Amino acid sequence: GQNIDQPTEMTATEGAIVQINCTYQTSGFNGLFWYQQHAGEAPTFLSYNVLDGLEEKGRFSSFLSRSKGYSYLLLKELQMKDSASYLCAVMDSNYQLIWGAGTKLIIKP
Amino acid sequence: GAVVSQHPSWVICKSGTSVKIECRSLDFQATTMFWYRQFPKQSLMLMATSNEGSKATYEQGVEKDKFLINHASLTLSTLTVTSAHPEDSSFYICSARGGTDYNEQFFGPGTRLTVL
Repeated sequence: GQNIDQPTEMTATEGAIVQINCTYQTSGFNGLFWYQQHAGEAPTFLSYNVLDGLEEKGRFSSFLSRSKGYSYLLLKELQMKDSASYLCAVMDSNYQLIWGAGTKLIIKP
Repeated sequence: GAVVSQHPSWVICKSGTSVKIECRSLDFQATTMFWYRQFPKQSLMLMATSNEGSKATYEQGVEKDKFLINHASLTLSTLTVTSAHPEDSSFYICSARGGTDYNEQFFGPGTRLTVL
């Protein structure tokens, strides 16, 4: 079966760095997405990785290792507004997104 | 990025009534639209996938006669919750795929449905 695993909840301090891991097992691979979702709102796109390596975009970076079925989202210089759920999703061979359950990130002052 | 709108953003209805939710891609043609449901503190659950001009493909456990999906044009898909009951209360989100980047899905803002 297809499976996406990510931690349920993480806590970090304002100004610090946090890494949210995601491991996956899917039928085929056409890329991995990270989305941010604030409570009561729809997800917003953060990053897309289809090749191995690190993609940096401002304070957020995303890493992918296809051989290990592993990705992480790195958030630097954390701000209170970064408190949200972070969803990992993999696009399978049918171009369908398989979603993780999301990681709730709590930022403390 | 591409913009997807949903209407209404929230709706309250009585049990037994039907509710229609619209999803529109505003600046691109969406060859495929997806309908998700999200209960509080849970992840997105894909309900169905619809391609323009063809019948929707429903996920296992989703009643196609209860959740009617119509994707009549490349910019509009509708989800009708028929004979809604309190257990149908949820956050319904659509997403659309198309435009220049085939792999990316663009999400609408969601519709919060409360059935009394």
